[in-house]
Amino acid sequence: DARVTQTPRHKVTEMGQEVTMRCQPILGHNTVFWYRQTMMQGLELLAYFRNRAPLDDSGMPKDRFSAEMPDATLATLKIQPSEPRDSAVYFCASGLVLEQYFGPGTRLTVT
Amino acid sequence: GENVEQHPSTLSVQEGDSAVIKCTYSDSASNYFPWYKQELGKGPQLIIDIRSNVGEKKDQRIAVTLNKTAKHFSLHITETQPEDSAVYFCAASTNFGNEKLTFGTGTRLTIIP
Repeated sequence: DARVTQTPRHKVTEMGQEVTMRCQPILGHNTVFWYRQTMMQGLELLAYFRNRAPLDDSGMPKDRFSAEMPDATLATLKIQPSEPRDSAVYFCASGLVLEQYFGPGTRLTVT
Repeated sequence: GENVEQHPSTLSVQEGDSAVIKCTYSDSASNYFPWYKQELGKGPQLIIDIRSNVGEKKDQRIAVTLNKTAKHFSLHITETQPEDSAVYFCAASTNFGNEKLTFGTGTRLTIIP
């Protein structure tokens, strides 16, 4: 049963610290998306990649967020420095042609 | 950019009754409309989707309808069961889903036993 995996599932950190979230897309999927979910903003796209190339990162605060795909099996989302307003659940999703499949998310709390 | 509105925000129905959730979209270029179910502590799960060249699609107790002219689409759940309780999100995308999804604000569905 192929699925998207994300690590860590939970992360509590202090303001100013660096946070790295990882995602393993479903094998064979060529598109990877990063979404953020908060009560106030709902589900919003941060960035996405196709064949490991970034296509759109307009949803990310550029000064502190960065997203990469070092290889086809790993996508990373990094926040440096983290701020309390970054507290949210971060989801990775992957897809090939039509559907997008979501991972279980990383719940980030910045104190 | 695309804007997706979803109603209602909360919905309670008696077990066995039907539930309907409605969404409207703004971008006429959108051509793919998935519905996701999100249970507490989990990621959104795709439950059904429809493309713009189709007016209706059904999968067991779940159906989705699309009106391209009016730019709205709806999710219909029949014979509701307690396990249908969750938050449901509609979304819209261009390029048949291989582009970013714009999500609605979600509907919290509660099935009353």
